[in-house]
Amino acid sequence: DAGVTQSPTHLIKTRGQQVTLRCSPKSGHDTVSWYQQALGQGPQFIFQYYEEEERQRGNFPDRFSGHQFPNYSSELNVNALLLGDSALYLCASSSIQHYNSPLHFGNGTRLTVT
Amino acid sequence: SQQGEEDPQALSIQEGENATMNCSYKTSINNLQWYRQNSGRGLVHLILIRSNEREKHSGRLRVTLDTSKKSSSLLITASRAADTASYFCATEEFGNEKLTFGTGTRLTIIP
Repeated sequence: DAGVTQSPTHLIKTRGQQVTLRCSPKSGHDTVSWYQQALGQGPQFIFQYYEEEERQRGNFPDRFSGHQFPNYSSELNVNALLLGDSALYLCASSSIQHYNSPLHFGNGTRLTVT
Repeated sequence: SQQGEEDPQALSIQEGENATMNCSYKTSINNLQWYRQNSGRGLVHLILIRSNEREKHSGRLRVTLDTSKKSSSLLITASRAADTASYFCATEEFGNEKLTFGTGTRLTIIP
């Protein structure tokens, strides 16, 4: 039973470029959340997707956008990259039916913006 | 923004000793969760405690929750070298499924 998988594991981009990160949720999960973790900080919530729609959003600019596909996988897109976007991007999945259940996290994508 | 603070920010103990880390938060919560993170990798869920619970155990882990003080503690007993990691508390508010994480405690177990 595969857990949450993310790709790529590492990525280096230049300021102003655009990036797409990918996530496949744990089998049986239908909800995907994305978090940004800056070095030495705790993860911060970006947004959550369910039924291919954004359900909740954190305090992130519109440069951050996402998508969920019919197979529940998800993408995080960041446009016009800034140096401050350098971080570990974590995807987490859960099941909407299982209230009070923990999130399952992938190993993240380490994004470096130069 | 971070929900609250974890204390201490860093902790080093000898293998076999107990480790205690604390978490404070700011709002009313539905549950509080503890996660472990090894070397900047993904987070692993350790334990979830609901707002109407005061204490919970899982193996060598013991979590307490004091909603009147908006605080929680995680106790790891008989520590092992493999417990070396960063530990984060995260809160979930009612009707809001996003998790708000603390700043983390970096635990080092000295063999």
